[in-house]
Amino acid sequence: EAQVTQNPRYLITVTGKKLTVTCSQNMNHEYMSWYRQDPGLGLRQIYYSMNVEVTDKGDVPEGYKVSRKEKRNFPLILESPSPNQTSLYFCASSSTPVGGLRGSPLHFGNGTRLTVT
Amino acid sequence: KNEVEQSPQNLTAQEGEFITINCSYSVGISALHWLQQHPGGGIVSLFMLSSGKKKHGRLIATINIQEKHSSLHITASHPRDSAVYICAVPMDSNYQLIWGAGTKLIIKP
Repeated sequence: EAQVTQNPRYLITVTGKKLTVTCSQNMNHEYMSWYRQDPGLGLRQIYYSMNVEVTDKGDVPEGYKVSRKEKRNFPLILESPSPNQTSLYFCASSSTPVGGLRGSPLHFGNGTRLTVT
Repeated sequence: KNEVEQSPQNLTAQEGEFITINCSYSVGISALHWLQQHPGGGIVSLFMLSSGKKKHGRLIATINIQEKHSSLHITASHPRDSAVYICAVPMDSNYQLIWGAGTKLIIKP
């Protein structure tokens, strides 16, 4: 089954304790992206990747790192989490960029609800 | 200024009603996305369209590129259609989307 898999679904951690949220897709998609969703603010992009070893900042990259060593995986790393990073996080992928004549729809993971105390 | 405006913000209707959600945008675009976010949080892509109309089951999406406006219609609405519906348009780079704030739809039995 074609899917984007995020883990964990729920995570409670303490300030400063490094964590990684994993994201894996089995559709051979080139484009992957991380979003955070907060009440009243909608979806905001953190980082995106156009292909292996190619990443770029989104709208809210501060406090986050990503890597794209393999096409299928795009982990989100919080080196020193803070309470303002408490949020619902989504990973998404698409076969091509989301716009343009060959644009493709996004496939989302189920989300990771992160609480930093 | 929001470049993607959705209306209404909230919509409550009775089962069976015809539903219309609107999306207006200010930038020139190549395509527009409609997505659905379930009460449990999961997000599903419904449509990606660049002209005319697309239909999937009871859902119909239309777009008028000249007027910079798109609508999502639901025919014979059902309580399971209750969700947040979000439209989004690509930025010039085609790697990022400008997101609407979403329309929260509640269908009462």
